[in-house]
Amino acid sequence: AQKVTQAQTEISVVEKEDVTLDCVYETRDTTYYLFWYKQPPSGELVFLIRRNSFDEQNEISGRYSWNFQKSTSSFNFTITASQVVDSAVYFCALSDANFGNEKLTFGTGTRLTIIP
Amino acid sequence: DTGVSQDPRHKITKRGQNVTFRCDPISEHNRLYWYRQTLGQGPEFLTYFQNEAQLEKSRLLSDRFSAERPKGSFSTLEIQRTEQGDSAMYLCASKFITTGELFFGEGSRLTVL
Repeated sequence: AQKVTQAQTEISVVEKEDVTLDCVYETRDTTYYLFWYKQPPSGELVFLIRRNSFDEQNEISGRYSWNFQKSTSSFNFTITASQVVDSAVYFCALSDANFGNEKLTFGTGTRLTIIP
Repeated sequence: DTGVSQDPRHKITKRGQNVTFRCDPISEHNRLYWYRQTLGQGPEFLTYFQNEAQLEKSRLLSDRFSAERPKGSFSTLEIQRTEQGDSAMYLCASKFITTGELFFGEGSRLTVL
């Protein structure tokens, strides 16, 4: 069975600080996908990134970066120079590669609050 | 608006009543998904369609739940004889089969009194 653990329930940081959201996953599959989604107060889940299990390169997109470490089954997300607009709930998710990204197993989310 | 749209956004009903939610996916997206999200939890997969065919259903989808996508465009999710445990946000998502990104709607929040 697949499982995603986001141990940090809530994080608050002051604007412009860097913050890292942790994600640890469990799967028996050798091929899988990992995702991060952002859920603002409006409720809509916004896709941030998808990573294939064979691609362990770290990714950077503007102020966002992701660190994938297969050895520790972790896929952590860092926001650099945080802004108030980054306040949201962030979900890490996992899917079986046989299905592509049809059926996602989500973590319980981390609520991030950026204090102005 | 070209995103995934869901209706109604909020529904309050009494226990035992039937409710129906509608999802209009992004045009030409042939895959459509339903997820359920309870307070403080991540979304949980319920079911998905490829065009009009329902390809998989989660064990979470009891006999009181039925989903349809009759013409391969919009979809409905009906809950019969609602129970308080059905209170949740019901999220719809769609994608084109060959692309990797799921686009989610804003959800339909159900409160069962």
